[in-house]
Amino acid sequence: DIVMTQSPESLAVSLGEGATINCKSSQSVLNSSNKKTYLAWYQQRPGQPPKLLIYWASTRESGVPDRFSGGGSGTAFTLTISSLQAEDVAVYYCQQYYNTPHTFGQGTKLEIK
Amino acid sequence: EVQLVESGGGLVKPGGSLRLSCAASGISFSDAWMRWVRQAPGKGLEWVGRIKSKNEGGTTDYAAPVKGRFTISREDSKNTLYLQMNSLRTEDTAVYYCAGAGSWLGYWGQGTLVTVSS
Repeated sequence: DIVMTQSPESLAVSLGEGATINCKSSQSVLNSSNKKTYLAWYQQRPGQPPKLLIYWASTRESGVPDRFSGGGSGTAFTLTISSLQAEDVAVYYCQQYYNTPHTFGQGTKLEIK
Repeated sequence: EVQLVESGGGLVKPGGSLRLSCAASGISFSDAWMRWVRQAPGKGLEWVGRIKSKNEGGTTDYAAPVKGRFTISREDSKNTLYLQMNSLRTEDTAVYYCAGAGSWLGYWGQGTLVTVSS
């Protein structure tokens, strides 16, 4: 199984400041045939189901604010929030969908400082 | 608007069985690859398994902790996904979400709580 490791486990950032969450996969999730990276990011607010933010490592889902961006390649990825808003308080998960089981990272809890 | 609505959760004794359902609307369900994802209380997300569309074979894949005990099926005529859970263990206690519909999980239900306890 591909192991997904996120860092940090928790993060406190001031409103308006930027935040970066890291995700590493134990093996590459890049499909060399189609050049696509099989990595998604989800946001889970308290008491809510997860919500898709990013897929193909850097493609923003429709309706997701452009302050969210995904980057990275191969085995190292980032989710960046450019200017933290109060509604961004949540747990964030990365997930690889390259190989089954489609494993998730352990989550990063983002709070307001 | 896409809606996924899970049902069937509840309290069950260890060793017991339960069947969850997920009713889908607003999507072309027969073309969708559907998943079950669970979340134990206070813990992270765990991928449970997947079923492909019948057009692409309708095959299933499972995570190791549930393989041989859980079965995912679909009834496209009813736009419904199922999760049959047998030989339940206390560690299966979680909120179970159905999700889909492409390679990534763009749609999620609200989840149904399964509690395995004596």
